[in-house]
Amino acid sequence: AQTVTQSQPEMSVQEAETVTLSCTYDTSESDYYLFWYKQPPSRQMILVIRQEAYKQQNATENRFSVNFQKAAKSFSLKISDSQLGDAAMYFCAYRRSGGSNYKLTFGKGTLLTVNP
Amino acid sequence: DTGVSQDPRHKITKRGQNVTFRCDPISEHNRLYWYRQTLGQGPEFLTYFQNEAQLEKSRLLSDRFSAERPKGSFSTLEIQRTEQGDSAMYLCASIKDGADGTQYFGPGTRLLVL
Repeated sequence: AQTVTQSQPEMSVQEAETVTLSCTYDTSESDYYLFWYKQPPSRQMILVIRQEAYKQQNATENRFSVNFQKAAKSFSLKISDSQLGDAAMYFCAYRRSGGSNYKLTFGKGTLLTVNP
Repeated sequence: DTGVSQDPRHKITKRGQNVTFRCDPISEHNRLYWYRQTLGQGPEFLTYFQNEAQLEKSRLLSDRFSAERPKGSFSTLEIQRTEQGDSAMYLCASIKDGADGTQYFGPGTRLLVL
């Protein structure tokens, strides 16, 4: 079974600084998807960024980028120029590429605090 | 497109009562997923539908849980004889086959069983 591990329960960053959230995963599959989702307090979960395992290039979305190390099974999220609105719980998630069930396997999350 | 909606947003019930939650997915999305999120944990998969067919259920889904999606549009999740251990956030997500594979989540229903 696939597992996702987020080893940092909490992180904090100063506004305008850069922070990196860690994620490792375990799978025997060669093709899969990885995601970072953001869950603000009392609000719904939204997708931050996604990465297809077959792509060597790291995904970027504006201030958000990932460092995908397939051999190490590592998928970290870098947030540049942190803003107060980035404060949220961040979840790393895995999904198989094949099969018919597109279910996501989540880590336990990292609570990010942004200090003004 | 108003996104995924869930009703109610909060539910408080007494142990032993039955509760039902509703999820309305994004209109053109044919797949619908239910997840459960307990305090300090990430969401865990419960079950999913492709159109009106329920195709997989997690071991987390005991016999007291039942889910339906009668016309392939909205879905309901019912918990019978609730237990305190059922207290959690119940999340619904939808996805469109052939799209980029992104699951869109609703705001969740927070259940508290007293």
